[in-house]
This record gives sequence, C-alpha cells and structure tokens, in this order.
Amino acid sequence: TQLLEQSPQFLSIQEGENLTVYCNSSSVFSSLQWYRQEPGEGPVLLVTVVTGGEVKKLKRLTFQFGDARKDSSLHITAAQPGDTGLYLCAGAEVYQLTFGKGTKLSVIP
Amino acid sequence: SAVISQKPSRDICQRGTSLTIQCQVDSQVTMMFWYRQQPGQSLTLIATANQGSEATYESGFVIDKFPISRPNLTFSTLTVSNMSPEDSSIYLCSVSQGRTEAFFGQGTRLTVV
Repeated sequence: TQLLEQSPQFLSIQEGENLTVYCNSSSVFSSLQWYRQEPGEGPVLLVTVVTGGEVKKLKRLTFQFGDARKDSSLHITAAQPGDTGLYLCAGAEVYQLTFGKGTKLSVIP
Repeated sequence: SAVISQKPSRDICQRGTSLTIQCQVDSQVTMMFWYRQQPGQSLTLIATANQGSEATYESGFVIDKFPISRPNLTFSTLTVSNMSPEDSSIYLCSVSQGRTEAFFGQGTRLTVV
C-alpha cells in the first residue's frame, strides 16, 4: 500500500506570513495533485504535477514536484484568511488516487 | 470540469437503519468513485462504480454493507446499511476526467446515533 505523509498536520499563522506544506512518499507516483477542502465542501483540485522537478505557480501558491517524483511541497506567500482550509495531496497511479491525511491551515486576520 | 450534486448534504440517523446517498453529475462519465472521510482522517476509497457492471470494492469494504447502484453514466447511489456510530463520517462522490484529476461533490455528513 502506497502511503503519503503530510506535514505539518496543523498550521496556524498570521495573515501575511509565508508557509510551506510537505507531502512525502516512499513510492513513485505518475502524478501528484493538491486539493483544498473547506468545511462542508468536497475537495477542489488546485494543481497536478507530473514531471520530476516541475514547479507550478497559482497566484501566491507555488507547487513543486521532487526530482524522484516521490515528494511535493506547497508554498504559500503572504497568506490570506481566504487560504484557510484543509490541504490534501494525492498521488495518482492509473485511475486510483491515494490521499494524504491533509494539513489543516488557519490564517488569522 | 464536472459539476457534481450530492444529497443529502447531512443527516442524523438511528443505528440499525440505512441511508442512501445520491450523486448526480452534469455530464456523462465512465468512472465514479465513493470515498469516506472520517474525522481527522484522509479520504479512503470505498469503491469504484462503472456503469453496466458491479462496483469494485476496496479492501475493508463489502457490498452488503455499502451497496452501490450505477444505472447510467450520470448517476450513482451509495447505501450505508445497518448503520452503527462507527459509520459516522463524511461520504464523498467523485468523478475523474482526463488523467486522474478528481472532481468531488460537496459530501454527505452522516451522524449515527
């Protein structure tokens, strides 16, 4: 069974601070995805990274896929209260997704 | 992207009863997925539902407990049978388009008392 470890599990920061969330696995995935889930809603896809070493930017969010395609990071610059939510990474293999436990982020105004 | 409507959004049920959750997609999709998300836990895949064939269940989940229907390419139901408090969870319907990017319904928050 492939497992994805996310850290930290919880993160509470002040508005304007920067943060990084990590997603690590002992296995290689064909692609890795990041989702954000708000209370009472299903997860919403933020980005998919496919190539080792790939970096993708989505406004203040920067996603990186490790060279070996086993780990990924999500960096948020100048966090806003609207960034509050549960951030989930998911490794994809064929049609299956394996989810990490998530990082619960709270951005305090 | 796909728009997924899931209902009910939440329910409180007595132990021993059953609840059927509906999932409607705004476009035809081949594969639909049902996940469970327990408090503080990750999403766990219950089963994959393909139209015209029986659902494929993951280890730890059985058809008698979680029967699934997939009558057409836009609709599926998941039933949680003979519920116990341990079944209290969020149940999520999902579809994939393109590669494996998943789109989710808003989830059904189930509380069993």
